[in-house]
This record gives sequence, structure tokens and C-alpha cells, in this order.
Amino acid sequence: NAGVTQTPKFQVLKTGQSMTLQCAQDMNHNSMYWYRQDPGMGLRLIYYSASEGTTDKGEVPNGYNVSRLNKREFSLRLESAAPSQTSVYFCASTGGTTYNEQFFGPGTRLTVL
Amino acid sequence: RKEVEQDPGPFNVPEGATVAFNCTYSNSASQSFFWYRQDCRKEPKLLMSVYSSGNEDGRFTAQLNRASQYISLLIRDSKLSDSATYLCVVNRPTGGFKTIFGAGTRLFVKA
Repeated sequence: NAGVTQTPKFQVLKTGQSMTLQCAQDMNHNSMYWYRQDPGMGLRLIYYSASEGTTDKGEVPNGYNVSRLNKREFSLRLESAAPSQTSVYFCASTGGTTYNEQFFGPGTRLTVL
Repeated sequence: RKEVEQDPGPFNVPEGATVAFNCTYSNSASQSFFWYRQDCRKEPKLLMSVYSSGNEDGRFTAQLNRASQYISLLIRDSKLSDSATYLCVVNRPTGGFKTIFGAGTRLFVKA
């Protein structure tokens, strides 16, 4: 049982390049999330998927797109990376009720030059 | 004003000390409450849920005051390994529900 896995762990992009961050969970969770974490800002929600087939914007969705490929996988795409997107990105999943904890992946450290 | 606010920190305490973290939330509809721990350059992990009656897990005690919209975490007999950032987390209903993370309080425990 791997929990939540993310790839890649590290990435350096040039401004304007695109990339997709991958996330998968093996806990049969309904809900999945993408967050970014910047120093002093805490975790900010980019997009979430309450269940397979649905996605919704979070607090900071601009510059990102997501795909809930199936119940296990939720990917985050940067179409044209900008230096402001330099951050640590965490994927998380939860069983889907308000009392469930969120389980986080190990994070992707992205630098955009 | 942020929906979930925490003590700014950092807290620097000696081993064996008792330290308390406070957190306030602004939305009275908030329904469930948690403390997460995040080690440097790692992902957040659940430390404990917070129940209305208060709850304890070893050296850790969490309290909830719904009237004052206030959550606390008390750590007794601090260990070096307690050094981390502690995140206050609140869920509130929105049709489904929304999870709001506090910015975190950094704790350094010194030998």
C-alpha cells in the first residue's frame, strides 16, 4: 500500500515550457486535491476533484489545468510555466467526508527559470 | 483576515518544556478540526483530530472551543523530534466541504 505517490520529485523548467505532474493513490479515495506551498503562505488549493469525473477550481487555479483520469489518478498540467509557479506542489486524497483526514504525497519541487 | 489563523512562531523551547499552540477560525459553520505536522521539506501528516470534548494522544492534547472558535494543541515534555511545523486545519460544509489550512507554527526544540 503506497498511499499517495507523485512524480517527478524535482523539476526545473524554463519560462514557457509545459509539464504534467502525476499523482496516484491506492486507497480507493473519492476525493483528490492539488495544492501549492510557498514560504509563509501555507497550503493553497489549486484544483480538486470530489469524485471521478468531476473537477473544480480552488483558490489559485490560474495557469493550471487538471485531469481526473480515473479514480486513482489526478494530474496537474502547467501549459506555459512562469517563474511565479516556482513552488512545492502536493497532491492529496481523502475518503470524502468532512471527518476524513487528507493523505499527502511527498511533493514535487518545481523551479521555473 | 484569514479564515484560519495561527500563532506566527517560531517557538524555541528546551527539551522537556510544555508548549501550547493556538488557532482561531472565523467561520462558525466549520465542522471538523485537525492538527497536522509537517517536517522540513516533507509532506503534511495528520497528528490528531480535534473533538469537541477535547482529546489526548500521549504527550499531545487538543482542545476545541466552538463558542470562541478556538483550537489549541498542547505538547508536554517536548522532545527534539517534535521540531516541525504544526498546521491547524478546519473543514466546513459547502455542499461538499472545504478544507482550510492555517499557515503553520514552527517549533524548534533545543537540547
